[in-house]
Amino acid sequence: DTEVTQTPKHLVMGMTNKKSLKCEQHMGHRAMYWYKQKAKKPPELMFVYSYEKLSINESVPSRFSPECPNSSLLNLHLHALQPEDSALYLCASRLGGVGFNEKLFFGSGTQLSVL
Amino acid sequence: AQTVTQSQPEMSVQEAETVTLSCTYDTSESDYYLFWYKQPPSRQMILVIRQEAYKQQNATENRFSVNFQKAAKSFSLKISDSQLGDAAMYFCAYSYTQGGSEKLVFGKGTKLTVNP
Repeated sequence: DTEVTQTPKHLVMGMTNKKSLKCEQHMGHRAMYWYKQKAKKPPELMFVYSYEKLSINESVPSRFSPECPNSSLLNLHLHALQPEDSALYLCASRLGGVGFNEKLFFGSGTQLSVL
Repeated sequence: AQTVTQSQPEMSVQEAETVTLSCTYDTSESDYYLFWYKQPPSRQMILVIRQEAYKQQNATENRFSVNFQKAAKSFSLKISDSQLGDAAMYFCAYSYTQGGSEKLVFGKGTKLTVNP
């Protein structure tokens, strides 16, 4: 299994809703990432988990709350989002460990619309 | 700060022809990695090719090759015998270590159109 699976593929939510994005991989990867991608822009890093611990937070607003319950699963909890948070949210994983710089495996993303 | 610049927002190529996409980067690191990722309309990011900075030899993957000029901080992608399936957004990316993890920073992308 060489896939990163993201659910749901599409999500529409109101500004008062609470929702979660899910990312799963079964490749034994120990580093997992959340990226945000606006239309016609490159992906921007949000969070990095390394061995289930948050190692990088790119000053993301607290209305985005990541969680890594185990080595295979990564969640992004959403609360009180703004319309400008509408974007494609990409999850990625890599084997892990510093210095290897092996490739990232990306999921196909969740397209989020905030009304 | 590590930055990646792609100066060509859009490029087009005829099927079976060759096209080169440009990328420059800025870093003070001596050891790093460079990547080209492809994002087709499905929006899944797919690795095209990877280059270790300490290797002088340019990476090659089938029809895809790079011209890595470390002193000039240039990392261009050459696509030979272009195919319709090569049409996509291409992102140049730089990988470095921060906070015990590896970060991947992307350029703004080049949209490649392949004409039949």
